[in-house]
Amino acid sequence: DQQVKQNSPSLSVQEGRISILNCDYTNSMFDYFLWYKKYPAEGPTFLISISSIKDKNEDGRFTVFLNKSAKHLSLHIVPSQPGDSAVYFCAASGGGTSYGKLTFGQGTILTVHP
Amino acid sequence: EAGVAQSPRYKIIEKRQSVAFWCNPISGHATLYWYQQILGQGPKLLIQFQNNGVVDDSQLPKDRFSAERLKGVDSTLKIQPAKLEDSAVYLCASSLRGTFVEKLFFGSGTQLSVL
Repeated sequence: DQQVKQNSPSLSVQEGRISILNCDYTNSMFDYFLWYKKYPAEGPTFLISISSIKDKNEDGRFTVFLNKSAKHLSLHIVPSQPGDSAVYFCAASGGGTSYGKLTFGQGTILTVHP
Repeated sequence: EAGVAQSPRYKIIEKRQSVAFWCNPISGHATLYWYQQILGQGPKLLIQFQNNGVVDDSQLPKDRFSAERLKGVDSTLKIQPAKLEDSAVYLCASSLRGTFVEKLFFGSGTQLSVL
């Protein structure tokens, strides 16, 4: 039972354009969502997060949008840079589980072409 | 600030053999996690420690996996005996308190291949 899904295995965009990565979840008890970025041979690194009481959170070029009614969140990167090329994981927390028990999606490989 | 340290970086073993992974979290971090990432999937939590006590091990296959965190600092994850399906990257992570949702800091992982 995959509670967090990233249905696009890969995304390719041109440098300077917008990258939009999508994530869907099924557990309505999730109340905190995070995005992690992973480069090859490295561990995931935290990128941005959003609480379920908000619908948008911005940090520089990165914005996360949350649509609770649709159980959907998205990560927008504007403008995209070649250094953004990595695997992006969306993760969710809550639902009565312990803090730190993140449920991850399968990841989306983002490639930004110069 | 030093990050989460893991060793070894790679390990190749045959099925039914045993293997152990080591993790040193960021200094002062009370909470330590072991995640398993199978190729093509997202990381999955195996076990979570708060200091040297277990908070959550509901997804740890206890017939073959064991973990300990002595003195609330370093941790070791062991698999005995290993199966082919244990081939994965084992990620250790730590966080400051673990008492609310906070960002986790991950190590680079140990890539295990079971032949």
